[in-house]
Amino acid sequence: GDSVTQMEGPVTLSEEAFLTINCTYTATGYPSLFWYVQYPGEGLQLLLKATKADDKGSNKGFEATYRKETTSFHLEKGSVQVSDSAVYFCALSDRGGNEKLTFGTGTRLTIIP
Amino acid sequence: GAVVSQHPSWVICKSGTSVKIECRSLDFQATTMFWYRQFPKQSLMLMATSNEGSKATYEQGVEKDKFLINHASLTLSTLTVTSAHPEDSSFYICSANTGYSNQPQHFGDGTRLSIL
Repeated sequence: GDSVTQMEGPVTLSEEAFLTINCTYTATGYPSLFWYVQYPGEGLQLLLKATKADDKGSNKGFEATYRKETTSFHLEKGSVQVSDSAVYFCALSDRGGNEKLTFGTGTRLTIIP
Repeated sequence: GAVVSQHPSWVICKSGTSVKIECRSLDFQATTMFWYRQFPKQSLMLMATSNEGSKATYEQGVEKDKFLINHASLTLSTLTVTSAHPEDSSFYICSANTGYSNQPQHFGDGTRLSIL
């Protein structure tokens, strides 16, 4: 079945540091890929997505590129801020994201001033 | 934007009690809602897919008689944990599907269930 393997946390970085959170997947067919973010005390929010190979999703300075050859969708940000502290989930869906999602374990990110 | 409300956010109850969790779409009609369970430091695991007006579709290994799901209207789905025991303690999260393929699911804030 489908699965998502995500870099384990917690990750602690200083403000303005470069961020990478690794995510690889196993799926049949051609899934859509997502990064969700959960800020403290809030629900999950879609951060970015990519629906086909070589697509790059981006939002709020975060980027991730759908790499079919390496089955990866690593999340990156060039300069993190304290407000980026949250739990980040990589996920995939067989049908564009409006159907059931398979999640990674989540990575807790803490940014220190 | 679209909002999903989940209630209660936290519940503590005695073993043997049945607990109902509500998931409401506040400003859109949700033909499909999903129920997830999250164990500490683990990923969200899909429990069931709830379609308005029909029986829920449960994932393998999820006891449908234990976790009763009702989706009576286009804005409300409920999950009832029947005769709850300590091993049912977990974080339960719902999401709602807008029905449009280019729009993402919207998640509730989750319910933390603690069974004593």
